Amino acid sequence: IAGITQAPTSQILAAGRRMTLRCTQDMRHNAMYWYRQDLGLGLRLIHYSNTAGTTGKGEVPDGYSVSRANTDDFPLTLASAVPSQTSVYFCASSDSLVADTQYFGPGTRLTVL
Amino acid sequence: GDSVTQMEGPVTLSEEAFLTINCTYTATGYPSLFWYVQYPGEGLQLLLKATKADDKGSNKGFEATYRKETTSFHLEKGSVQVSDSAVYFCASTSYNNNDMRFGAGTRLTVKP
Repeated sequence: IAGITQAPTSQILAAGRRMTLRCTQDMRHNAMYWYRQDLGLGLRLIHYSNTAGTTGKGEVPDGYSVSRANTDDFPLTLASAVPSQTSVYFCASSDSLVADTQYFGPGTRLTVL
Repeated sequence: GDSVTQMEGPVTLSEEAFLTINCTYTATGYPSLFWYVQYPGEGLQLLLKATKADDKGSNKGFEATYRKETTSFHLEKGSVQVSDSAVYFCASTSYNNNDMRFGAGTRLTVKP
C-alpha cells in the first residue's frame, strides 16, 4: 500500500510561473488536506476537501487553489508563484473529519526565485 | 481560535536519557490532542493521541497525558534511542481536522 504520493519531490521555480503540486492517495479516504511547513511556524493548513467535489479554505489560502474531481487526487496550484511561497508542502488525508488521524505524504520542497 | 505552544528546540540527548517535550494548548472547547513525529526526509506520522481529559496516549515507549487543569500534553519517554532522532509536533483540534493547529516542532537529536 503506497498511502499518499506527492510529485514532484522538489522543484525550483521562477517567480510568476504557474505550478501544480500533485497528490494521490490509495486509502479511499474522504478528507484531504494541503499544508505548508515553514521553519519555526510548524504546519499551516492551506486548503482542505471533506469529500470529492468539495473544497474549503484553511488558515493560509491566498495564492493557492485546489480541486477535488475524485476521491484519490487533490492537486494544489500556484497560479503565479512568489518567493514567499518557498516552503515544504505536505498533502495529507484522513478517513473521518472529526479529530481523526491524518496520514501524510513525503512532501514537496518548492523554491521560488 | 485554538493554538499550540511547544518547547523550542533543538534538544540533544544522550542515548538512554529521559525525554520531556512540553506542549500547552489554548482552545475554546475540549480539544483532541496529538503528537506527530517527522523522521528525516519523510512526512509526519501519528505518534499518539488523546481525546479527553486524563487520557494517556502511548506508543513506542512515548507517553503523553491530557491535563485539562494545566492545558498541557507533554511528551515523555523514559529512555531515548538514536532512532528517536526526529522532529516532534504537538497538535490540537476542538472540532475537526480542518481546524487542526500544529506547534512549531521540536527537533530531537539523540547521540550514542
